[in-house]
Amino acid sequence: GAVVSQHPSWVICKSGTSVKIECRSLDFQATTMFWYRQFPKQSLMLMATSNEGSKATYEQGVEKDKFLINHASLTLSTLTVTSAHPEDSSFYICSAHPSGQGGDTQYFGPGTRLTVL
Amino acid sequence: TQLLEQSPQFLSIQEGENLTVYCNSSSVFSSLQWYRQEPGEGPVLLVTVVTGGEVKKLKRLTFQFGDARKDSSLHITAAQPGDTGLYLCAGEVIGANNLFFGTGTRLTVIP
Repeated sequence: GAVVSQHPSWVICKSGTSVKIECRSLDFQATTMFWYRQFPKQSLMLMATSNEGSKATYEQGVEKDKFLINHASLTLSTLTVTSAHPEDSSFYICSAHPSGQGGDTQYFGPGTRLTVL
Repeated sequence: TQLLEQSPQFLSIQEGENLTVYCNSSSVFSSLQWYRQEPGEGPVLLVTVVTGGEVKKLKRLTFQFGDARKDSSLHITAAQPGDTGLYLCAGEVIGANNLFFGTGTRLTVIP
């Protein structure tokens, strides 16, 4: 149980285009999902907290108009990188916190590698 | 400013050796987790420690939470090549609903 999937697993796009990444909790509901970014040889940096049915909360320094988050259902959150540039190339990882569960347990997806040419 | 500092940042050892990774902070955490991440994959939870001074063992891995709940360590006995990976600690700050990840320790175990 507690499986989180991401789609696509990797994507290559041209500079200036937009890319959508999906994060799904497959066997549980998640009111809260998190989006992280990880640059090569670095740790995970939280970008935003996605809440079902409400606006996402962005961490300092993360542009909300560039990284659009939609959490339209209890099992799906999407991250859209708008007008992508080479510096947005990174490994994007989502995690999901099971609804109704205490603590801060998060189940992580396998990640999406974005390369912007 | 990184909330959680890990040391060492990189570690390369021979198979069979022991090692310890440290995770330090000036903040108090309600819980602390350790993850292992392999290239191109998401992090996988190894353990969660909650009580100050708590020690948990997972086969050859021993995790300890500091008495003040500000730091933690991961000790691996008789390391094997399969232990190679990026080890991340992550803390849950009291009052926050998200995890703060450490700077990471990249371990390479040479056969």
